[in-house]
Amino acid sequence: AQSVSQHNHHVILSEAASLELGCNYSYGGTVNLFWYVQYPGQHLQLLLKYFSGDPLVKGIKGFEAEFIKSKFSFNLRKPSVQWSDTAEYFCAVRGNNRLAFGKGNQVVVIP
Amino acid sequence: GAGVSQSPSNKVTEKGKDVELRCDPISGHTALYWYRQSLGQGLEFLIYFQGNSAPDKSGLPSDRFSAERTGGSVSTLTIQRTQQEDSAVYLCASSLSRDRGPVGEQFFGPGTRLTVL
Repeated sequence: AQSVSQHNHHVILSEAASLELGCNYSYGGTVNLFWYVQYPGQHLQLLLKYFSGDPLVKGIKGFEAEFIKSKFSFNLRKPSVQWSDTAEYFCAVRGNNRLAFGKGNQVVVIP
Repeated sequence: GAGVSQSPSNKVTEKGKDVELRCDPISGHTALYWYRQSLGQGLEFLIYFQGNSAPDKSGLPSDRFSAERTGGSVSTLTIQRTQQEDSAVYLCASSLSRDRGPVGEQFFGPGTRLTVL
């Protein structure tokens, strides 16, 4: 069965700082990887996804993620965060008819 | 509709009662999923429906949980004899089938927050 690990569950940073959230996965099949975001009071939304091809994936709102197969990683980055990026971020891997999610990263951006 | 809808948005019930949660997927999506989001457990898969195929029930935590999908569209998740540990947000998601679009891109509804007293 697939699994995902996310570290540093709580992240606090100031506006304009850079953000990097780590994601490591375990799955033996074809890898489809996702980052979802949940803003306060809102439902899960897709930030970006990787199916194949270029391992550097661009998503919405200036986010990007890099798939490194040798490290089983799919880290999320944003060069300069804004207060509106305050949210919970979930990494997920698809396999066996489901998404397996990490525990999430609660990110708070201080104005 | 424009997105996945779920009802009710909040449900408070007493221990031992049965509850039904409803999900309306995006029109044209043949795959439907239920997940549960709870403190300490994160997001857990419950059940998956694909068209008229038998559902994948491997994520259901006990036989008190069941789900059905009528006419390939609306789905109902039923929890019998609710327990306090069933308190969580129950999320529904839908996606296009494998042969009609990007594999695995799931669109989530707003969830039903279940509180068992």
